[in-house]
Amino acid sequence: EVQLVESGGGLVQPGGSLRLSCAASGFTFSSYEMNWVRQAPGKGLEWVSYISSSGSTIYYADSVKGRFTISRDNAKNSLYLQMNSLRAEDTAVYYCARLYSGYDSFLDYWGQGTLVTVSS
Amino acid sequence: SYVLTQPPSVSVAPGQTARITCGGNNIGSKSVHWYQQKPGQAPVLVVYDDSDRPSGIPERFSGSNSGNTATLTISRVEAGDEADYYCQVWDSSSDRYVFGTGTKVTVL
Repeated sequence: EVQLVESGGGLVQPGGSLRLSCAASGFTFSSYEMNWVRQAPGKGLEWVSYISSSGSTIYYADSVKGRFTISRDNAKNSLYLQMNSLRAEDTAVYYCARLYSGYDSFLDYWGQGTLVTVSS
Repeated sequence: SYVLTQPPSVSVAPGQTARITCGGNNIGSKSVHWYQQKPGQAPVLVVYDDSDRPSGIPERFSGSNSGNTATLTISRVEAGDEADYYCQVWDSSSDRYVFGTGTKVTVL
């Protein structure tokens, strides 16, 4: 059974940093591209970042470019999101999601999410 | 940047048909995927590649895509279909994934 479990969320002050993790199991993690998607309270889904299966190709939403860094450790079956210079508008539930196959493909499995709250 | 526009809400009586549109410039040239999200839960894929259904998704869910509009159709609506629905595409011109604005489906 495919499982994605996020962790690392919490309360952080504006300007602070946080590192999210996503532990994957039930599939060959190193063969799949992965994404982070977030959802602010009461708002819609917003794509955050993409990483290829090898980690060689990375994309970011304009809203986080230069502040967030996506990475992965295929040996540990783990996906990460390093978030720096956090702002109030980064407050959201962050989901990791598996991309089925190829850029124009779909997100077939999602984790349950981890809540990040940026507030003083 | 590429924008996907959905109606904020759709209301439908049980047993009737709900149609949720997703508008985007020449969206017919892209593969459109649809997600259902119930309160407090992660999104679930209900239609992919415009009109295909993942295993476990009822045949009542179907999709189409042409011109500037993609549509998710829910036939014989049930109370359990009440949720938020999002369309999604890959924008190759900007290397970005894009989600629609979301539609809340209310079953009357």
